[in-house]
Amino acid sequence: GENVEQHPSTLSVQEGDSAVIKCTYSDSASNYFPWYKQELGKRPQLIIDIRSNVGEKKDQRIAVTLNKTAKHFSLHITETQPEDSAVYFCAALVSGSARQLTFGSGTQLTVLP
Amino acid sequence: DTAVSQTPKYLVTQMGNDKSIKCEQNLGHDTMYWYKQDSKKFLKIMFSYNNKELIINETVPNRFSPKSPDKAHLNLHINSLELGDSAVYFCASSQAGLFEAFFGQGTRLTVV
Repeated sequence: GENVEQHPSTLSVQEGDSAVIKCTYSDSASNYFPWYKQELGKRPQLIIDIRSNVGEKKDQRIAVTLNKTAKHFSLHITETQPEDSAVYFCAALVSGSARQLTFGSGTQLTVLP
Repeated sequence: DTAVSQTPKYLVTQMGNDKSIKCEQNLGHDTMYWYKQDSKKFLKIMFSYNNKELIINETVPNRFSPKSPDKAHLNLHINSLELGDSAVYFCASSQAGLFEAFFGQGTRLTVV
């Protein structure tokens, strides 16, 4: 099955700096790569996603890049704010009639004011 | 309206008991999931299910069983609860072609 590795497990940045989280996946058939943000005590929520026919996608301060050849993808957050502090999860989709999202182990991002 | 709702939000029970967690989605999605989130925050897929296929993660004990009375519901039944089952359980759903998974608010299960 699919295996997703995520680094780093914790990340602290100063407010206004950039943050980068990286993930690798194992199944070359995966074609959908979302990023979820989970605030303390809340449910995971999608913040951005990318499909395998696209190399980069940007939404305001958040961007995701995908390298299918190397099987890795990254989340970039610019101009970080304290409210960006949360656990971020990458995931990869295994296609099929009963699709499964396999998640990375999560990154605890702390933005220091 | 809550898109994916699960009940109860908190569940405290004794070892050996049998319990169920209910999940309902009103999004018209074709696939539903159960995830377990342990104390280290790792989100682990337990089941994914649509009307054609049930995929069971091979590491899930057979004390756990999904039950789907209809397309909008996927309940999780757990037999003979153990201390190690304590975690937050998330239900989620998604639609073919769109892929985004919507999560319920989670059920914090504590086995004492």
